Amino acid sequence: SAVISQKPSRDICQRGTSLTIQCQVDSQVTMMFWYRQQPGQSLTLIATANQGSEATYESGFVIDKFPISRPNLTFSTLTVSNLSPEDSSIYLCSVVGGAYGYTFGSGTRLTVV
Amino acid sequence: SQQGEEDPQALSIQEGENATMNCSYKTSINNLQWYRQNSGRGLVHLILIRSNEREKHSGRLRVTLDTSKKSSSLLITASRAADTASYFCAKEYGNKLVFGAGTILRVKS
Repeated sequence: SAVISQKPSRDICQRGTSLTIQCQVDSQVTMMFWYRQQPGQSLTLIATANQGSEATYESGFVIDKFPISRPNLTFSTLTVSNLSPEDSSIYLCSVVGGAYGYTFGSGTRLTVV
Repeated sequence: SQQGEEDPQALSIQEGENATMNCSYKTSINNLQWYRQNSGRGLVHLILIRSNEREKHSGRLRVTLDTSKKSSSLLITASRAADTASYFCAKEYGNKLVFGAGTILRVKS
């Protein structure tokens, strides 16, 4: 099954700055997904990233705020731009693969001050 | 809502009791999964039930799926304090996995 390395595991950022989160997969995968988990909430799908095409964003999420890159079949980045305290969340990447169909990264805990 | 409905939002029981959590969805799914998350930590996969299955067991866990009612339930029998966590159902729509709002379970010892 796929193994995902997600970095950083946590960060504290100043408002107005950006944070880029990386996910590296140990095998080639067609689709990668990015989720946000706000404090005390469930996971919300931000976007689906396919290699070689623009990411597909879910309702309520826009590319200017959450630009995604997918340069190859093993790597993707999510940038959270123009940070505000409301962006403080855990961000997770996920891929289709593994015993149960999906594998998740360990998450990035972002705190915006 | 992307997340769908899950109930109850919170459940508090005594150790040894059973806990039942419910999940509903609106459109047809491929499969449905249940996950556990302990206090802001990583997701732990519990059970996957396919759309053509009605019931599945894993240890003290029992999951049912009723596609006619578009609902699923997770039963934890003989609960333990260590079962205290948030539980999420996740519905597979094509390749997308969409999570429910979750149930916070507290098992008191």
